[in-house]
Amino acid sequence: AQSVTQLDSQVPVFEEAPVELRCNYSSSVSVYLFWYVQYPNQGLQLLLKYLSGSTLVKGINGFEAEFNKSQTSFHLRKPSVHISDTAEYFCAVVAFGNEKLTFGTGTRLTIIP
Amino acid sequence: EPEVTQTPSHQVTQMGQEVILRCVPISNHLYFYWYRQILGQKVEFLVSFYNNEISEKSEIFDDQFSVERPDGSNFTLKIRSTKLEDSAMYFCASRVQSYNSPLHFGNGTRLTVT
Repeated sequence: AQSVTQLDSQVPVFEEAPVELRCNYSSSVSVYLFWYVQYPNQGLQLLLKYLSGSTLVKGINGFEAEFNKSQTSFHLRKPSVHISDTAEYFCAVVAFGNEKLTFGTGTRLTIIP
Repeated sequence: EPEVTQTPSHQVTQMGQEVILRCVPISNHLYFYWYRQILGQKVEFLVSFYNNEISEKSEIFDDQFSVERPDGSNFTLKIRSTKLEDSAMYFCASRVQSYNSPLHFGNGTRLTVT
């Protein structure tokens, strides 16, 4: 079975400051990794994914994440946030050959003007 | 860009009533899912559906739940006799194929059981 830990339930950040949202996972098999964003009153939108290859992946809206196998982490970063980045961010994993996507509990990113 | 659509956006029902949540996945997608998110909690897998049958289900997906693809476009989740604890946001999702293709989610149906 897989599990995902997002230690920070809420992260307040000043506008134009950098941000890192942390994600650690646990799995006995290889996994694919995803970050989803949920804007208020909307569904889940894919930000980025790691399948294989380069450990640094770039996504939409200026976000990027780095897969670190030794630390079993997949932290999400953005060098300069905007008010429009206010949302809930979910890290998720799926094991190779598995159907079930396992989500973390989410991190609410609040941008302070 | 094609998207997954869900109706209704909000459904209120009384305990013990049956509800059907509807979804139209993206047209060329082959795998369909239902997830739910109880307020303040994580998004949880309910069921996956491929080739007109359930391929995997979670322990949450008991006999009160069923899924169906009645025609070539709709994918429904039925709850036979709703309980208060079924109140949640229900998300439909679909993907093209292969396990590494990402899920595309709808905007969800908020189910409130009173």
